Amino acid sequence: EPEVTQTPSHQVTQMGQEVILRCVPISNHLYFYWYRQILGQKVEFLVSFYNNEISEKSEIFDDQFSVERPDGSNFTLKIRSTKLEDSAMYFCASSGDRATNEKLFFGSGTQLSVL
Amino acid sequence: GEDVEQSLFLSVREGDSSVINCTYTDSSSTYLYWYKQEPGAGLQLLTYIFSNMDMKQDQRLTVLLNKKDKHLSLRIADTQTGDSAIYFCAESLPGNTPLVFGKGTRLSVIA
Repeated sequence: EPEVTQTPSHQVTQMGQEVILRCVPISNHLYFYWYRQILGQKVEFLVSFYNNEISEKSEIFDDQFSVERPDGSNFTLKIRSTKLEDSAMYFCASSGDRATNEKLFFGSGTQLSVL
Repeated sequence: GEDVEQSLFLSVREGDSSVINCTYTDSSSTYLYWYKQEPGAGLQLLTYIFSNMDMKQDQRLTVLLNKKDKHLSLRIADTQTGDSAIYFCAESLPGNTPLVFGKGTRLSVIA
């Protein structure tokens, strides 16, 4: 069964450092997403991406964050200058169909710890 | 704004039924979902229900939706140790906006 792959599974970084979280969506999918879950809190939407541009973003997705699809297979989330409060599990998701959310496939997540 | 609430923990004995509850605030929800997250794994779509339905059954899983009370439940019959996981309730709103998730309910199955 096709799956969304995320690397690394765990990332530890110092406050102020840049991190790049990587995702390989399902190969024929067109819509890509990042969600995150701070420990003990809800899974929150960050950003959606389609046709090489951001289609929607939340208030959380400020100027510190950026997304890119550099080579047609990877989908990355960059945090330019990490803060302690960026520590969370980050989930990538992809979908081949914008029509309904039930066709959303999630990766296993990257646990980001900012020290 | 929209909000989804779930209790955080549920413990059941193997073979019993589990019922995981969820409440939501936005009456314009189009679909409601249950996702399962096993340790070290991603969010796996378990089942979903369209908002004009009251019930959906899929093998051991039964989803009940009370739209008047904005209450969704997931019943797992004959709960097994492999059902131990975190279960997330989520809703989608008109226009296929991003999913709104609850905090997740950690189900522990005791052998």
